[in-house]
Amino acid sequence: GAGVSQSPRYKVAKRGQDVALRCDPISGHVSLFWYQQALGQGPEFLTYFQNEAQLDKSGLPSDRFFAERPEGSVSTLKIQRTQQEDSAVYLCASTPRAGTPYEQYFGPGTRLTVT
Amino acid sequence: DAKTTQPTSMDCAEGRAANLPCNHSTISGNEYVYWYRQIHSQGPQYIIHGLKNNETNEMASLIITEDRKSSTLILPHATLRDTAVYYCIEGGSQGNLIFGKGTKLSVKP
Repeated sequence: GAGVSQSPRYKVAKRGQDVALRCDPISGHVSLFWYQQALGQGPEFLTYFQNEAQLDKSGLPSDRFFAERPEGSVSTLKIQRTQQEDSAVYLCASTPRAGTPYEQYFGPGTRLTVT
Repeated sequence: DAKTTQPTSMDCAEGRAANLPCNHSTISGNEYVYWYRQIHSQGPQYIIHGLKNNETNEMASLIITEDRKSSTLILPHATLRDTAVYYCIEGGSQGNLIFGKGTKLSVKP
């Protein structure tokens, strides 16, 4: 079956531009996570949704980062006024259960480069 | 911050068992050990998890010491496609994953 998909796969933004990154989780998956992965590092947690409710946004680095999942399926991560330190791979993961750390299914990521 | 420690890198010959160690000396009684791996340019992939008992699935085996302060992930017959960064993560039964830097496993022909 289809896995988690993310779009675009690559995004180049000029500093100060807004970007929107999309995640399509596996159909029926309750939980959705966003992670940020800098070059050479492990992924870092950004935010977590259970259905349409954003239950944890403690990892969002600043108020320029905003995520939503209005209908409990597709999610969008928006970054306003991008800065160079936002350059990273943004990963989305979904799981059929409520917020479990195991069997998280990851998408391929969106590589964001801010110039 | 990640609470586990792993070697930065390891090599393994193709066809041999790959044994990846992990120390989690501060793990609490209700925390699990989770293993994920990340092949280059892909998202992480779940491998296995355990609490106290050893676990085995179609991908790997997980051996947890009796005191639960360390564990070993075993890939019984490593192939070139197993070359990846392997992450050992301790955590509760709910919530996000806290990744460290993992072990870069290189399987060589």
